[in-house]
Amino acid sequence: DVKVTQSSRYLVKRTGEKVFLECVQDMDHENMFWYRQDPGLGLRLIYFSYDVKMKEKGDIPEGYSVSREKKERFSLILESASTNQTSMYLCASSLSGGRREKLFFGSGTQLSVL
Amino acid sequence: DQQVKQNSPSLSVQEGRISILNCDYTNSMFDYFLWYKKYPAEGPTFLISISSIKDKNEDGRFTVFLNKSAKHLSLHIVPSQPGDSAVYFCAASAMDSSYKLIFGSGTRLLVRP
Repeated sequence: DVKVTQSSRYLVKRTGEKVFLECVQDMDHENMFWYRQDPGLGLRLIYFSYDVKMKEKGDIPEGYSVSREKKERFSLILESASTNQTSMYLCASSLSGGRREKLFFGSGTQLSVL
Repeated sequence: DQQVKQNSPSLSVQEGRISILNCDYTNSMFDYFLWYKKYPAEGPTFLISISSIKDKNEDGRFTVFLNKSAKHLSLHIVPSQPGDSAVYFCAASAMDSSYKLIFGSGTRLLVRP
């Protein structure tokens, strides 16, 4: 089974802090994704990576950046955290770039920005 | 404006009965649809999918129906079990998008014993 591991289950940060969310997958998947889940809004794509050092913006990239230095690891960076970034963050991976490939998700990081 | 809508935030069903979860979409370019299930403290997991060339896809107790003219799909669970209690997300993919899934807001299903 594919395992997608997110480093923290809960995080509490202060406004203006730089925040790193880490995600690791163990199945040699090409693609990795960062979503945020908010009540009433579902899952929204922040960034996507289809290869090492390659990235594409999703629907809501503002205020975020990403890093993929190794195939198995995809980091989401909040350069200066703000209260409207309080959310559940979900990392996912898929085998290839095909849009019919199912996503495998981590268990999520609940981030609170105070 | 949400392109994929799940208008029922919650649904409660008796064990053994049918659960019907609904999803509407607005983008006529969507041609592939998926359902994901999410338990508390876990990430979503893939449940079932359907291509627009079909109007029905079945996998055990789970059946997804697609009505393209109405831009509507539904997930049927028969018979419902308490272990099916979870949040269900509908997602759609457009033929001009290589990877992007658009998710609905989710429906929380409670199956009462």
